Amino acid sequence: AQTVTQSQPEMSVQEAETVTLSCTYDTSENNYYLFWYKQPPSRQMILVIRQEAYKQQNATENRFSVNFQKAAKSFSLKISDSQLGDTAMYFCAQKAYSGAGSYQLTFGKGTKLSVIP
Amino acid sequence: NAGVTQTPKFQVLKTGQSMTLQCAQDMNHEYMSWYRQDPGMGLRLIHYSVGAGITDQGEVPNGYNVSRSTTEDFPLRLLSAAPSQTSVYFCASRGAGPTYNEQFFGPGTRLTVL
Repeated sequence: AQTVTQSQPEMSVQEAETVTLSCTYDTSENNYYLFWYKQPPSRQMILVIRQEAYKQQNATENRFSVNFQKAAKSFSLKISDSQLGDTAMYFCAQKAYSGAGSYQLTFGKGTKLSVIP
Repeated sequence: NAGVTQTPKFQVLKTGQSMTLQCAQDMNHEYMSWYRQDPGMGLRLIHYSVGAGITDQGEVPNGYNVSRSTTEDFPLRLLSAAPSQTSVYFCASRGAGPTYNEQFFGPGTRLTVL
């Protein structure tokens, strides 16, 4: 079974600074996908960034980038130039084969990020 | 496209009552799923479906039933609500298969069982 671990329940960062959220995962699959989701107070789940395991290049989306270390099974999210609107829960997730022809999305427990003015 | 819609947004039940959480998507996605979100627990998969007529259990299926009679709809039933089912419930959908398919989430239903 896949597991996703986020070791930082809460973090804070000053506005305009950079913050890194950690995520580790465990899978026996060779091909899988990794995601970071953002959940603001509105409760809506928003996809921030994704990474295909077969790609060595780290994914980047504007101020959001990842550090994907496949051998270490690590997938951290870096937010540059933090903005007040980045305040949210952030979930790391992995999509991998789970048997019987099914691909499941497994989530970490989340990191609550607060951006301080 | 409306995406993934859920009703109701809020619900209060008494222990032992039954109810159905509705979920619909208009993106012709094969895969639909239900998650519950509890503080400090992240999102946990309750049930999922890979197509009409096919459902399967996720990580925390006890106390919940699902059915998938159409591609669009995937209701979640609580037959006899318990306080332990107080949670926020999310429905999600995506295309099936191993390739990348973004998972779209509904707005969530906050359920309180007294």
